[in-house]
Amino acid sequence: NAGVTQTPKFQVLKTGQSMTLQCAQDMNHNSMYWYRQDPGMGLRLIYYSASEGTTDKGEVPNGYNVSRLNKREFSLRLESAAPSQTSVYFCASSEGVSQPQHFGDGTRLSIL
Amino acid sequence: SQQGEEDPQALSIQEGENATMNCSYKTSINNLQWYRQNSGRGLVHLILIRSNEREKHSGRLRVTLDTSKKSSSLLITASRAADTASYFCATDGTSGTYKSIFGTGTRLKVLA
Repeated sequence: NAGVTQTPKFQVLKTGQSMTLQCAQDMNHNSMYWYRQDPGMGLRLIYYSASEGTTDKGEVPNGYNVSRLNKREFSLRLESAAPSQTSVYFCASSEGVSQPQHFGDGTRLSIL
Repeated sequence: SQQGEEDPQALSIQEGENATMNCSYKTSINNLQWYRQNSGRGLVHLILIRSNEREKHSGRLRVTLDTSKKSSSLLITASRAADTASYFCATDGTSGTYKSIFGTGTRLKVLA
């Protein structure tokens, strides 16, 4: 089982460029999440989707947009990348909110 | 702002010893979860304890929850080198929209 798959694994952008991080899960989970992890900060929730067709802001949504394309896929878009968005981004999924989450292995994003 | 704060930030022990790490949180919760993160990987769910539970076991893991003190502890018994990782607590609050709040983690190093 693949679980949660994130693409790409690494990416370097220039300030102002845009890009979309992709996430797909094969566990038929209802809920999906995007986090960023910075040194000494733990994981911070950017956006989540409790179920297909819904999305909600998390703790740090500014500068990001999301799309729940279908039950399997949840993408994160940076419209105009800034150096402050340099981070490791994790996608996760769960059967429902408050249930154990399954994480992908992250996308390491550097913005110069 | 972080809901959960782990303590200590870092812990180094010998193989075979027990490792204890603590998590304190600020607001009422529905449940508390512990996750492990190996270097360069995503988080892996270890155990979930509900607010009406006081103790839970899973293999070599023992988790306690004291809602009056707003704290939880994770005990790993007979530690192994493979337990070397960062450990995070995550809380699910009782109020309003779901947001899973992760702490900053405890870095555990088990020396062979």
